Amino acid sequence: GQNIDQPTEMTATEGAIVQINCTYQTSGFNGLFWYQQHAGEAPTFLSYNVLDGLEEKGRFSSFLSRSKGYSYLLLKELQMKDSASYLCAVMDSNYQLIWGAGTKLIIKP
Amino acid sequence: SAVISQKPSRDICQRGTSLTIQCQVDSQVTMMFWYRQQPGQSLTLIATANQGSEATYESGFVIDKFPISRPNLTFSTLTVSNMSPEDSSIYLCSVVGREFDEQYFGPGTRLTVT
Repeated sequence: GQNIDQPTEMTATEGAIVQINCTYQTSGFNGLFWYQQHAGEAPTFLSYNVLDGLEEKGRFSSFLSRSKGYSYLLLKELQMKDSASYLCAVMDSNYQLIWGAGTKLIIKP
Repeated sequence: SAVISQKPSRDICQRGTSLTIQCQVDSQVTMMFWYRQQPGQSLTLIATANQGSEATYESGFVIDKFPISRPNLTFSTLTVSNMSPEDSSIYLCSVVGREFDEQYFGPGTRLTVT
């Protein structure tokens, strides 16, 4: 079956760095997405990885290892507004997204 | 990027009635999706809305309960039929970018069934 695993909840301190991991097993692979979702709002696209390596976008970076079925989202210089759920999703061979349950990130002052 | 709007943004409906949710995109897109997200949970794909043909439904979702229209490449509707309290959820419309490297979501429709 298809499966996406990510931690349920993480806590970090304002100004620090946090890494949110995602492992996956899917039927085919056409890319991995990370989304940010604030409570009561729709998900917002953060990043897309289809090749191995690190993609950096400002304070956010995303890494992919296809051989390991593994990705992480790295958030630097954490701000209180980064408190949100972070969703990992993999696009399978049918171009459909398989979603993880999301990681709730709590930022403390 | 694509800008997506949904109507209504929220509604409270009575059991047994139906609600149609509209999704409008500011550009032509090939693939449109309808998701459901229940409180505290991740997204569940209901169906893929195909232009000019019937929608493709995921396991557990049927056309009689969730009829979908896709009359053109910028618009789609999802109807939640014969509603029950279990249908209370956020319903999200989504589109995929041309290169399949981005996916955008509408603001969602928050449905409460009493």
